[in-house]
Amino acid sequence: DGGITQSPKYLFRKEGQNVTLSCEQNLNHDAMYWYRQDPGQGLRLIYYSQIVNDFQKGDIAEGYSVSREKKESFPLTVTSAQKNPTAFYLCASNGLRSGELFFGEGSRLTVL
Amino acid sequence: SQQGEEDPQALSIQEGENATMNCSYKTSINNLQWYRQNSGRGLVHLILIRSNEREKHSGRLRVTLDTSKKSSSLLITASRAADTASYFCATDSGGYQKVTFGIGTKLQVIP
Repeated sequence: DGGITQSPKYLFRKEGQNVTLSCEQNLNHDAMYWYRQDPGQGLRLIYYSQIVNDFQKGDIAEGYSVSREKKESFPLTVTSAQKNPTAFYLCASNGLRSGELFFGEGSRLTVL
Repeated sequence: SQQGEEDPQALSIQEGENATMNCSYKTSINNLQWYRQNSGRGLVHLILIRSNEREKHSGRLRVTLDTSKKSSSLLITASRAADTASYFCATDSGGYQKVTFGIGTKLQVIP
């Protein structure tokens, strides 16, 4: 079945460690997105990518990095520079001529 | 920055009643969308309304858009316990590439 797969679902990290969250889609979508969700704050855009080898910062990109080497994949690295990384991270994708976003099931990151 | 703001932030109703959620946004848009999220899960797309449309229906859902007031409403008729979830509006401007969300309305439908 077509869809978006995020892994891992749960992740624990010690302070000062980088961690990479995986996002893979087989929907043949050009655009992919990373959002962060905190309680009571809705979804905030971290990074988005329209095509391979290109991406743009969203509203809260500091402390995060991404790559888009393949159309299907858009991994997010949470670096040690991100001061408050504990959150629920959501990956999404859409076709360039369709506004509808398709979401993965999310990755919950907890910093110990 | 978040484009949309939903109102109310929380809503509790009895099964069978209608639920209305509102969304206000700040800048001109191409489209406005509504999504649903069950606790701890990803979001699911419900409906998209274009900036030149005023009303749209999908099953028990009715969405209205007033671009002069920069606002939208989502009506769920004859609610069911299974409708319990958080509902978000999302807007995009430019070329679909930057979709921003509001803070959501948490709906509880009591059986």
